[in-house]
Amino acid sequence: NAGVTQTPKFRILKIGQSMTLQCTQDMNHNYMYWYRQDPGMGLKLIYYSVGAGITDKGEVPNGYNVSRSTTEDFPLRLELAAPSQTSVYFCASSYGARGQLYNSPLHFGNGTRLTVT
Amino acid sequence: AQRVTQPEKLLSVFKGAPVELKCNYSYSGSPELFWYVQYSRQRLQLLLRHISRESIKGFTADLNKGETSFHLKKPFAQEEDSAMYYCVLTGGFKTIFGAGTRLFVKA
Repeated sequence: NAGVTQTPKFRILKIGQSMTLQCTQDMNHNYMYWYRQDPGMGLKLIYYSVGAGITDKGEVPNGYNVSRSTTEDFPLRLELAAPSQTSVYFCASSYGARGQLYNSPLHFGNGTRLTVT
Repeated sequence: AQRVTQPEKLLSVFKGAPVELKCNYSYSGSPELFWYVQYSRQRLQLLLRHISRESIKGFTADLNKGETSFHLKKPFAQEEDSAMYYCVLTGGFKTIFGAGTRLFVKA
């Protein structure tokens, strides 16, 4: 199993450009997440999804969009890149089931380092 | 407010010395606590979780609800323990990360 795969690993954008960060997982996990990590800070949740066709906002959703058309894929879209979006982005997934007593651990991708200048 | 605090950004110890990475949390319900680790050039991965009450790579962590702490401990640090460690709290559908502590184990 590849686990969670993110592409690209690095990207430099100019202000106002758009791009899509790709994330795919092969573990048949229901739950998928996008986090961003700014220097010296913990990870902050941007968006999450509990299954195909269902997405919801996390703590810091402004400036981003997501879709979840399949169980495997959860792309993150930046429409108008801003310097404040310079960060490292992590995609993660977890096995989630209704009525589950304990939260499943997160499986992370390798991250995408994005710079907006 | 719900938060996870890791007071040390950097912790440097000698090989063979005991190590304790501190984690304190604030949460109104019954949280689950985890430690995640990121070794150099590797992805973030689960180290241990409080419900398992197990020792992984010699590390243990006990959830102290009275002190709202979940400190990570190892009696004898090894060079390969050098990494970034994150304390993570989940409650309901919230997952809150601490800012992380970089552990550097010197030879």
